[in-house]
Amino acid sequence: KQEVTQIPAALSVPEGENLVLNCSFTDSAIYNLQWFRQDPGKGLTSLLLIQSSQREQTSGRLNASLDKSSGRSTLYIAASQPGDSATYLCAVCDSNYQLIWGAGTKLIIKP
Amino acid sequence: EAGVAQSPRYKIIEKRQSVAFWCNPISGHATLYWYQQILGQGPKLLIQFQNNGVVDDSQLPKDRFSAERLKGVDSTLKIQPAKLEDSAVYLCASSSLGGELGKATDTQYFGPGTRLTVL
Repeated sequence: KQEVTQIPAALSVPEGENLVLNCSFTDSAIYNLQWFRQDPGKGLTSLLLIQSSQREQTSGRLNASLDKSSGRSTLYIAASQPGDSATYLCAVCDSNYQLIWGAGTKLIIKP
Repeated sequence: EAGVAQSPRYKIIEKRQSVAFWCNPISGHATLYWYQQILGQGPKLLIQFQNNGVVDDSQLPKDRFSAERLKGVDSTLKIQPAKLEDSAVYLCASSSLGGELGKATDTQYFGPGTRLTVL
C-alpha cells in the first residue's frame, strides 16, 4: 500500500532564505508526483507535476525533483517571500491511477 | 477561464442531520472528484466520476454518503445522517482527462471547498 510522508510538518524561516520541503513515498511504481499549495480557507493549487520519467520541473522560484528509485521528492523554494506562507502537499499518482497524499508541510515565512 | 465552483462555503449542522454540497467543474472537464480533508491530513478521495459514470467510489461510506453527477456536469455530495467524524473540508476537483477510464495523470483543479462542522 502506497504511503506518502512529508517532513517536517511545519517550518518557519526568515524571508529571503532558500528552503527545501521533503516528500517520501513507499512504492516506486508511480505515474507522476505533484506538489500543491493550500492557503487557509482556499482549495488546492497545483504547483508542479513531475512525470515518472522526469527528474525535475521548474516554475519561477520553485524547483521540484523526483528520485523514483529512492522514493523521494523535494520542493526547493528560492528567495522565500511572506506570500509563500501556506501548506504544501505532495501527492503521488499510484499504479491504480489514484492520488495518494501526504499530510503537508505548513510553511511560515517571517518578514 | 472560470475555476471550480463549490457551495456552500461553510455549513454547521447537528449530528444525524443531512447536508448536501454542490460542485460545478471547469467547463469541458470530463472527470470530477470529491475529496474529504480532515484537519491536519491530506485529502482522501471519496468518489471519482468520468462524465456521469462512477470510476471509483471504494472509499465512499455508502451507508451515509451519496453522490451524483447529472448530465456529466454539476455534482452533488450528500451526507445523511451526519456524524461528528464527518467534520472536515469537502473538496471538489476536476480534470480534462480522456479515455474510457479517468486517470489521475493530469493536473486536477480544485474548488475552494466546503467546511463542514458537525455538532
